[in-house]
Amino acid sequence: KAGVTQTPRYLIKTRGQQVTLSCSPISGHRSVSWYQQTPGQGLQFLFEYFSETQRNKGNFPGRFSGRQFSNSRSEMNVSTLELGDSALYLCASSPTGDNQPQHFGDGTRLSIL
Amino acid sequence: GENVEQHPSTLSVQEGDSAVIKCTYSDSASNYFPWYKQELGKRPQLIIDIRSNVGEKKDQRIAVTLNKTAKHFSLHITETQPEDSAVYFCAASIDSWGKLQFGAGTQVVVTP
Repeated sequence: KAGVTQTPRYLIKTRGQQVTLSCSPISGHRSVSWYQQTPGQGLQFLFEYFSETQRNKGNFPGRFSGRQFSNSRSEMNVSTLELGDSALYLCASSPTGDNQPQHFGDGTRLSIL
Repeated sequence: GENVEQHPSTLSVQEGDSAVIKCTYSDSASNYFPWYKQELGKRPQLIIDIRSNVGEKKDQRIAVTLNKTAKHFSLHITETQPEDSAVYFCAASIDSWGKLQFGAGTQVVVTP
Protein backbone atom coordinates (compact mmCIF):
# COMPACT_ATOMS: atom_id res chain seq x y z
CA LYS A 1 0.00 0.00 0.00
CA ALA A 2 1.41 3.39 -0.96
CA GLY A 3 2.26 5.79 1.85
CA VAL A 4 1.27 9.39 2.35
CA THR A 5 2.34 11.41 -0.69
CA GLN A 6 3.12 15.10 -0.50
CA THR A 7 3.83 17.39 -3.43
CA PRO A 8 5.90 19.27 -4.18
CA ARG A 9 8.89 18.13 -2.10
CA TYR A 10 10.63 21.49 -2.29
CA LEU A 11 9.34 24.98 -2.92
CA ILE A 12 10.97 28.40 -2.98
CA LYS A 13 8.81 31.49 -2.73
CA THR A 14 9.27 35.16 -1.95
CA ARG A 15 7.61 37.23 0.74
CA GLY A 16 4.05 38.23 -0.05
CA GLN A 17 3.36 35.33 -2.38
CA GLN A 18 0.96 32.51 -1.66
CA VAL A 19 1.52 28.78 -1.86
CA THR A 20 -0.56 25.60 -2.06
CA LEU A 21 0.71 22.25 -0.82
CA SER A 22 -0.90 18.92 -1.59
CA CYS A 23 -1.29 15.70 0.38
CA SER A 24 -2.64 12.35 -0.76
CA PRO A 25 -3.37 10.09 2.21
CA ILE A 26 -2.88 6.36 2.42
CA SER A 27 -5.68 4.61 0.57
CA GLY A 28 -8.67 4.21 2.87
CA HIS A 29 -7.53 6.88 5.33
CA ARG A 30 -10.08 9.64 5.75
CA SER A 31 -8.43 11.83 8.38
CA VAL A 32 -5.66 14.18 7.26
CA SER A 33 -3.65 16.38 9.61
CA TRP A 34 -1.06 19.04 8.82
CA TYR A 35 1.96 19.98 10.92
CA GLN A 36 4.67 22.61 10.63
CA GLN A 37 8.19 21.60 11.65
CA THR A 38 10.87 24.20 12.37
CA PRO A 39 14.14 23.99 14.33
CA GLY A 40 12.91 26.61 16.79
CA GLN A 41 9.29 25.59 17.37
CA GLY A 42 9.46 21.87 16.66
CA LEU A 43 6.38 20.07 15.38
CA GLN A 44 3.24 22.17 15.60
CA PHE A 45 -0.28 21.15 14.68
CA LEU A 46 -1.97 23.24 11.98
CA PHE A 47 -5.34 21.56 11.34
CA GLU A 48 -7.09 18.25 10.79
CA TYR A 49 -9.73 17.33 8.22
CA PHE A 50 -12.18 14.48 8.10
CA SER A 51 -14.90 13.98 5.49
CA GLU A 52 -14.13 17.38 3.97
CA THR A 53 -14.68 19.13 7.31
CA GLN A 54 -12.10 20.80 9.52
CA ARG A 55 -12.35 19.07 12.89
CA ASN A 56 -9.41 20.60 14.74
CA LYS A 57 -7.40 23.75 14.33
CA GLY A 58 -4.09 24.82 15.85
CA ASN A 59 -2.91 28.28 16.84
CA PHE A 60 -1.87 29.65 13.47
CA PRO A 61 -3.00 32.89 11.83
CA GLY A 62 -5.77 32.94 9.27
CA ARG A 63 -3.18 33.08 6.47
CA PHE A 64 -2.96 29.33 6.92
CA SER A 65 -5.94 27.47 5.53
CA GLY A 66 -6.76 24.07 4.20
CA ARG A 67 -9.38 21.91 2.63
CA GLN A 68 -10.14 18.30 1.93
CA PHE A 69 -11.72 16.81 -1.14
CA SER A 70 -14.22 13.98 -1.44
CA ASN A 71 -11.39 11.53 -2.24
CA SER A 72 -9.71 12.52 1.08
CA ARG A 73 -6.85 14.35 -0.63
CA SER A 74 -6.04 17.57 1.15
CA GLU A 75 -4.44 20.87 0.34
CA MET A 76 -3.13 23.60 2.56
CA ASN A 77 -2.68 27.19 1.49
CA VAL A 78 -0.53 29.91 2.97
CA SER A 79 -1.17 33.45 1.80
CA THR A 80 1.00 36.55 2.13
CA LEU A 81 4.09 34.50 2.90
CA GLU A 82 6.48 35.70 5.58
CA LEU A 83 10.10 34.73 6.19
CA GLY A 84 9.01 32.88 9.32
CA ASP A 85 6.86 30.54 7.26
CA SER A 86 9.99 28.77 6.07
CA ALA A 87 9.56 25.24 7.38
CA LEU A 88 8.95 21.60 6.62
CA TYR A 89 5.21 21.06 6.24
CA LEU A 90 4.18 17.53 7.11
CA CYS A 91 0.93 15.80 6.35
CA ALA A 92 -0.27 12.75 8.29
CA SER A 93 -3.19 10.46 7.58
CA SER A 94 -5.17 8.12 9.77
CA PRO A 95 -7.98 5.63 9.14
CA THR A 96 -11.47 6.19 10.50
CA GLY A 97 -12.22 4.92 13.94
CA ASP A 98 -10.39 5.25 17.19
CA ASN A 99 -7.03 3.79 18.15
CA GLN A 100 -5.53 4.26 14.71
CA PRO A 101 -2.16 6.04 14.54
CA GLN A 102 -1.16 8.82 12.19
CA HIS A 103 1.34 8.11 9.43
CA PHE A 104 3.43 10.93 8.02
CA GLY A 105 4.46 11.85 4.51
CA ASP A 106 7.95 13.07 3.57
CA GLY A 107 6.85 16.68 3.78
CA THR A 108 7.20 19.78 1.64
CA ARG A 109 10.23 21.94 2.38
CA LEU A 110 9.13 25.56 1.93
CA SER A 111 11.77 28.27 1.75
CA ILE A 112 10.84 31.95 1.74
CA LEU A 113 13.34 34.42 0.29
CA GLY B 1 -4.26 23.43 26.08
CA GLU B 2 -1.97 20.45 26.22
CA ASN B 3 1.74 20.97 26.88
CA VAL B 4 4.30 18.19 26.50
CA GLU B 5 7.80 18.43 27.94
CA GLN B 6 10.52 16.04 26.80
CA HIS B 7 13.90 15.28 28.39
CA PRO B 8 16.75 15.07 27.70
CA SER B 9 17.23 17.13 24.55
CA THR B 10 20.31 15.11 23.63
CA LEU B 11 21.39 11.64 24.66
CA SER B 12 24.66 9.91 23.86
CA VAL B 13 24.93 6.19 24.55
CA GLN B 14 27.41 3.46 23.81
CA GLU B 15 26.25 0.72 21.50
CA GLY B 16 24.62 -2.03 23.53
CA ASP B 17 23.59 0.26 26.38
CA SER B 18 20.02 1.34 27.15
CA ALA B 19 18.46 4.72 26.39
CA VAL B 20 15.56 6.30 28.26
CA ILE B 21 13.59 9.36 27.19
CA LYS B 22 10.98 10.90 29.47
CA CYS B 23 7.94 13.05 28.71
CA THR B 24 5.37 14.78 30.87
CA TYR B 25 2.02 16.14 29.78
CA SER B 26 -0.43 18.59 31.30
CA ASP B 27 -3.92 17.69 30.06
CA SER B 28 -5.47 14.87 32.07
CA ALA B 29 -7.88 14.26 29.15
CA SER B 30 -5.02 12.99 26.97
CA ASN B 31 -5.20 9.25 26.54
CA TYR B 32 -3.08 8.44 23.50
CA PHE B 33 0.73 8.67 23.53
CA PRO B 34 2.73 7.83 20.39
CA TRP B 35 6.48 7.94 19.87
CA TYR B 36 8.00 8.88 16.53
CA LYS B 37 11.53 8.43 15.24
CA GLN B 38 12.85 10.90 12.67
CA GLU B 39 16.11 10.30 10.88
CA LEU B 40 17.83 13.24 9.22
CA GLY B 41 15.91 14.37 6.16
CA LYS B 42 13.21 11.75 6.58
CA ARG B 43 9.62 11.58 7.73
CA PRO B 44 8.68 10.93 11.36
CA GLN B 45 7.95 7.23 11.72
CA LEU B 46 5.74 5.75 14.42
CA ILE B 47 7.75 3.30 16.50
CA ILE B 48 5.34 2.55 19.32
CA ASP B 49 2.22 3.96 20.94
CA ILE B 50 0.30 3.42 24.15
CA ARG B 51 -3.17 4.23 25.34
CA SER B 52 -4.26 5.25 28.80
CA ASN B 53 -5.81 1.91 29.67
CA VAL B 54 -2.39 0.26 29.37
CA GLY B 55 0.57 0.85 31.70
CA GLU B 56 3.31 -0.67 29.59
CA LYS B 57 3.84 -1.88 26.05
CA LYS B 58 6.82 -3.61 24.53
CA ASP B 59 7.93 -4.29 20.97
CA GLN B 60 11.25 -6.12 20.70
CA ARG B 61 13.94 -3.69 21.97
CA ILE B 62 11.51 -0.82 22.48
CA ALA B 63 9.15 -0.33 25.42
CA VAL B 64 6.95 2.48 26.60
CA THR B 65 5.61 3.01 30.12
CA LEU B 66 2.78 5.29 31.17
CA ASN B 67 1.93 6.72 34.58
CA LYS B 68 -1.41 8.51 34.24
CA THR B 69 -1.46 9.65 37.84
CA ALA B 70 1.86 11.43 37.49
CA LYS B 71 1.15 12.37 33.86
CA HIS B 72 4.38 11.06 32.47
CA PHE B 73 5.45 8.43 29.99
CA SER B 74 8.83 7.10 28.95
CA LEU B 75 10.50 5.38 26.02
CA HIS B 76 13.05 2.68 26.73
CA ILE B 77 15.42 1.35 24.07
CA THR B 78 17.53 -1.63 25.06
CA GLU B 79 20.66 -2.98 23.38
CA THR B 80 21.05 0.19 21.34
CA GLN B 81 22.51 -0.02 17.84
CA PRO B 82 23.99 2.68 15.58
CA GLU B 83 20.80 2.64 13.48
CA ASP B 84 18.89 3.82 16.55
CA SER B 85 20.60 7.20 16.12
CA ALA B 86 17.85 9.71 15.29
CA VAL B 87 15.58 12.33 16.83
CA TYR B 88 12.78 10.85 18.90
CA PHE B 89 9.53 12.72 19.55
CA CYS B 90 6.89 11.94 22.11
CA ALA B 91 3.35 13.20 21.67
CA ALA B 92 0.05 13.30 23.52
CA SER B 93 -3.48 13.49 22.23
CA ILE B 94 -7.07 13.03 23.28
CA ASP B 95 -7.73 11.00 20.14
CA SER B 96 -5.25 9.05 18.01
CA TRP B 97 -6.51 10.72 14.83
CA GLY B 98 -6.68 14.26 16.18
CA LYS B 99 -4.25 16.93 17.24
CA LEU B 100 -0.93 15.52 18.37
CA GLN B 101 0.92 17.77 20.81
CA PHE B 102 4.60 16.98 20.38
CA GLY B 103 7.53 17.25 22.74
CA ALA B 104 10.61 19.16 21.60
CA GLY B 105 12.48 16.00 20.61
CA THR B 106 15.52 14.08 21.82
CA GLN B 107 18.60 13.69 19.65
CA VAL B 108 19.93 10.18 20.33
CA VAL B 109 23.47 9.34 19.25
CA VAL B 110 24.65 5.76 19.54
CA THR B 111 28.41 5.40 19.29
CA PRO B 112 29.98 2.06 18.28
